[in-house]
Amino acid sequence: DAGITQSPRYKITETGRQVTLMCHQTWSHSYMFWYRQDLGHGLRLIYYSAAADITDKGEVPDGYVVSRSKTENFPLTLESATRSQTSVYFCATSLPSGTYEQYFGPGTRLTVT
Amino acid sequence: GQQLNQSPQSMFIQEGEDVSMNCTSSSIFNTWLWYKQDPGEGPVLLIALYKAGELTSNGRLTAQFGTTRKDSFLNISASIPSDVGIYFCAGLNTGGFKTIFGAGTRLFVKA
Repeated sequence: DAGITQSPRYKITETGRQVTLMCHQTWSHSYMFWYRQDLGHGLRLIYYSAAADITDKGEVPDGYVVSRSKTENFPLTLESATRSQTSVYFCATSLPSGTYEQYFGPGTRLTVT
Repeated sequence: GQQLNQSPQSMFIQEGEDVSMNCTSSSIFNTWLWYKQDPGEGPVLLIALYKAGELTSNGRLTAQFGTTRKDSFLNISASIPSDVGIYFCAGLNTGGFKTIFGAGTRLFVKA
């Protein structure tokens, strides 16, 4: 059981390019999340999704686009990458009720040059 | 927006020592969570707290939900080398899934 997978694990891109980070889960959890992790800031929520075709902004959504056509996939797109988007990106899932525990993927380290 | 102040930022301790860290907020939360992140991996939930004043243990870890609902504390007893990592507090309010994370406490344990 793979749980949550993220791809690619590492990515280097140039300023202005479009980049898509993939997140796939095998648990059929309703909720999915994208966070970025930067030194000194902890984890900041970019976007989240309550179900297929339902998405909402988090704390730092500017410059990012998400979609969720299928329950198991939640891609994050940087439409025109900037150096300030260099970060480690984590995808997470959660069940819709009770514990609010989030299960995190292994992360994608993105460098924008 | 809501912010969590987590302290200390880092700790260097000797194996066997006890550790305390805390998290404070200017806003009230209904749920407090504590996560640990090992190098190169995503965070993993350690303890969840759902009620003001609640004290919950998970092995050598004990966390408390502050009575004001604006703070939480995590203690680790008799630390061991595998306790090394970053510990994050997180707060959220029931009915929503927008979780606010602290900046983390980096723990270093010397054998």
